[in-house]
Amino acid sequence: NAGVTQTPKFRVLKTGQSMTLLCAQDMNHEYMYWYRQDPGMGLRLIHYSVGEGTTAKGEVPDGYNVSRLKKQNFLLGLESAAPSQTSVYFCASIPGSWNTEAFFGQGTRLTVV
Amino acid sequence: DQQVKQNSPSLSVQEGRISILNCDYTNSMFDYFLWYKKYPAEGPTFLISISSIKDKNEDGRFTVFLNKSAKHLSLHIVPSQPGDSAVYFCAASAANTGNQFYFGTGTSLTVIP
Repeated sequence: NAGVTQTPKFRVLKTGQSMTLLCAQDMNHEYMYWYRQDPGMGLRLIHYSVGEGTTAKGEVPDGYNVSRLKKQNFLLGLESAAPSQTSVYFCASIPGSWNTEAFFGQGTRLTVV
Repeated sequence: DQQVKQNSPSLSVQEGRISILNCDYTNSMFDYFLWYKKYPAEGPTFLISISSIKDKNEDGRFTVFLNKSAKHLSLHIVPSQPGDSAVYFCAASAANTGNQFYFGTGTSLTVIP
């Protein structure tokens, strides 16, 4: 049972390039989340999804887009990367019921130069 | 504005002693609170949680206390072990916010052998 898997683990982008981060979960979870972690800032929610075909904005959505075409996958896109998007990105999922913990992926370290 | 705050960036404790990590929140609608542990280059892993109908929850060496009137929660680790050295994040969510989790900035715990 793999849990939550993020692809890729590391990436270096040039300013203005685009890329997509993939999150896949095999637990049949309804809710999925994308967070970014920056020094001194904790984890901040970028976008989330409460089910297949749905997405919603979190605390820091600007510069990112997401899609949830399949229940098990949640994609995070950067259309035109900026140095301010250098961060560690974490995907998480929960079953969908309230009062339950989130399961996290191992993270993607993205550097934009 | 940070809705969940961890005011101590770091904490050092001798092995065998008690570690106390603190967390404050501002949103009175939060009704579920969690602690996560994070090792370098890994995703956060769930440690323990508490709902707002309780004021204490124990799991082995870990106990979480919730003081709703003070909007404060704490994590006690007794006895502390070197393997507990990690960054600890507290998080909070509310049933009416799409299960969004709001994280604190983390406390780096070092347990000295």
